[in-house]
Amino acid sequence: DQQVKQNSPSLSVQEGRISILNCDYTNSMFDYFLWYKKYPAEGPTFLISISSIKDKNEDGRFTVFLNKSAKHLSLHIVPSQPGDSAVYFCAASLYNQGGKLIFGQGTELSVKP
Amino acid sequence: GAVVSQHPSRVICKSGTSVKIECRSLDFQATTMFWYRQFPKQSLMLMATSNEGSKATYEQGVEKDKFLINHASLTLSTLTVTSAHPEDSSFYICSAQGVGNSPLHFGNGTRLTVT
Repeated sequence: DQQVKQNSPSLSVQEGRISILNCDYTNSMFDYFLWYKKYPAEGPTFLISISSIKDKNEDGRFTVFLNKSAKHLSLHIVPSQPGDSAVYFCAASLYNQGGKLIFGQGTELSVKP
Repeated sequence: GAVVSQHPSRVICKSGTSVKIECRSLDFQATTMFWYRQFPKQSLMLMATSNEGSKATYEQGVEKDKFLINHASLTLSTLTVTSAHPEDSSFYICSAQGVGNSPLHFGNGTRLTVT
C-alpha cells in the first residue's frame, strides 16, 4: 500500500524551462511534506518542505504547492538548470513523527542544456 | 553543515555471512537514527527507528533478529544484517536527527550485494 506516490519515474526538461514534479498521497493525516534531491551514490539532501497549514512555500527557484483536497503536491523548479538533474523524492510525515518519513518512488529529472 | 557518514559504501558478501553497516553523525548529536532500505525502482522504505540507549522500533514486516540495530552512543548507530541471503541485496541508508524536530540528514547509503 503505497501511501506516497510519484507516478512519473522520469521527466526531461530543457534548460531554462520550468520543471514540475508531482506527488500524490493517500493519508489525510500527513501534516508535513518534504522534497529531497538525490544524486547517484549520495544520500538524499533536503530541498524544501511545506506544512499542511500552508498551500505554497517558495525558496529561490524552488516552489512547493500543496492541494490538500486533492491530496496532491508539486515541486516547481524555474528556471531549470543542468545541475538540477537528479532523482527527486517527495516524503510525508505524521504529526509528532517528524523524523519518520514515508517516501515516494522518486522521479528522475533530466535537464538538457 | 551537519554531516552523516555511512560506512561501507559498498559491500559484497557470501550468503550466510553477517554484514555490519555504520552510521555516524559527525558534528551533531543524533538522538534518533532511522534505517531505510531501497530496492531498485522503489521508494525508500523505513525499516526501523533507533533511539540512543534504547531498543529499536521495527516497522511491520522487518525481522528484528535478522536486522540488528544498535544505537550505543549519540553519534553512532549500526545495522547488522545477519545470515545474509541474496534477497537481502539492496541499498541501505541511514538518517539522523538531532534534538527536537531538527531536520533529518542522510548518509550516502550502502549497496549490499549477497552472492
